[in-house]
Parts: sequence; C-alpha cells; structure tokens
Amino acid sequence: RKEVEQDPGPFNVPEGATVAFNCTYSNSASQSFFWYRQDCRKEPKLLMSVYSSGNEDGRFTAQLNRASQYISLLIRDSKLSDSATYLCVVSTNAGKSTFGDGTTLTVKP
Amino acid sequence: DGGITQSPKYLFRKEGQNVTLSCEQNLNHDAMYWYRQDPGQGLRLIYYSQIVNDFQKGDIAEGYSVSREKKESFPLTVTSAQKNPTAFYLCASSPLGLAGAREAYNEQFFGPGTRLTVL
Repeated sequence: RKEVEQDPGPFNVPEGATVAFNCTYSNSASQSFFWYRQDCRKEPKLLMSVYSSGNEDGRFTAQLNRASQYISLLIRDSKLSDSATYLCVVSTNAGKSTFGDGTTLTVKP
Repeated sequence: DGGITQSPKYLFRKEGQNVTLSCEQNLNHDAMYWYRQDPGQGLRLIYYSQIVNDFQKGDIAEGYSVSREKKESFPLTVTSAQKNPTAFYLCASSPLGLAGAREAYNEQFFGPGTRLTVL
C-alpha cells in the first residue's frame, strides 16, 4: 500500500462544475499537508496548505481529517484554467515529504 | 528575485556515463530535496538535506549521489549504476518546520526541472 493514495482520475467536468479530490495517508506521524498543482511538463506549484481547521482560498477549499488520515480538495465553479494534475503531499517533522501520484482534472467548455 | 534554478533544462547522456544536475536557491532555505518523476506518476524522493554537509537517502537513492557543501547548492549526480535514469528531475527547497509550532510548515518551492534522456 502506498503511503499517500489519490484517485488518479481522470476527472472530466464541464465549466462551472464542482469537483472534489480525496487523498489518504498512512503515516500517523504526518504533520504538514499540502495540495500542489502541476501543469503538463512543468514543476509542481503550491496550491494550498491544509490546516486542521480547514481552509478556503477563493473557489478552493481544503479539509483535513486526522482521525481518518484523509485530506480533500474542493474546487467550485471550475474554470478551463483549472485543468491540471493535483498532487497531495504529506510531510513529517523530520522534513521528509511524500507525494501522491496525482489526480488529473480536465475542465471542458 | 528569489528563486530556485536548475540547469540544464534538457540533458542527454550516453549509457555508462555519470552526469551531474545543478540546483541553486537564493531563498535562504535550510532544506533541499531531489525528486524523480516518471511519466504519469508522482514524485519520488531521491535525497534530501536539512543542513549543510548533511543529507539523507530518500526512497530511491540507489544509483544517485549528492553533496551539500553550501546552503545554496545541492547538486545531484546520476551515476552509471542507475539502471533506468531517463526521467524528469525536480529540485526543491523549503524552510524547516517550526520547532514547537502547533502545525509545522515546510512548503516546498520547486525549480523548473531537468529532463534527462539516456541514449
């Protein structure tokens, strides 16, 4: 079983749709959680950190459930420019990060 | 401008040759990382370093070597012992997590990557 697991998709949604991505992790010592966005053949870029209390940034909402070792990303009112691969990242205090394999989103007109 | 740079962007190597990938950052970050990404897959950790002159193996260190002689630089050498070196190599840096903080933050900033092809 992988340390960080994501549904690979692909998710194909129309513009304006709401889409949710899930991620589970197995290391209970994990302390920091992030969602990154990666465009085709580019480097990953931070989308959001995920806090215990949950957090929102515009159309994006991230939530963390430590008891279930689960994080989620919700995208509302999808735009064509949201098409990308979304990577879930889990880090320990020892400085080691583990990436999920990513979930691919395609938003269609 | 602060940032993290990698060179070269594309690199071709003959089988059996060692090659070194450059990674430099001027963000004053303590931690630096090397990842490998294969098509359709996530990032896998090769090596990481939290302090100068110290580094740790990641999940796929075999066939790779690193050095951390300066805070700003973390070069990766792909040796001839690496059986399948063709991949996209990404370097990242981050500030260390805040000791004692309720939640530790170690967001990573990535360089643009080097695409290595073995001919």
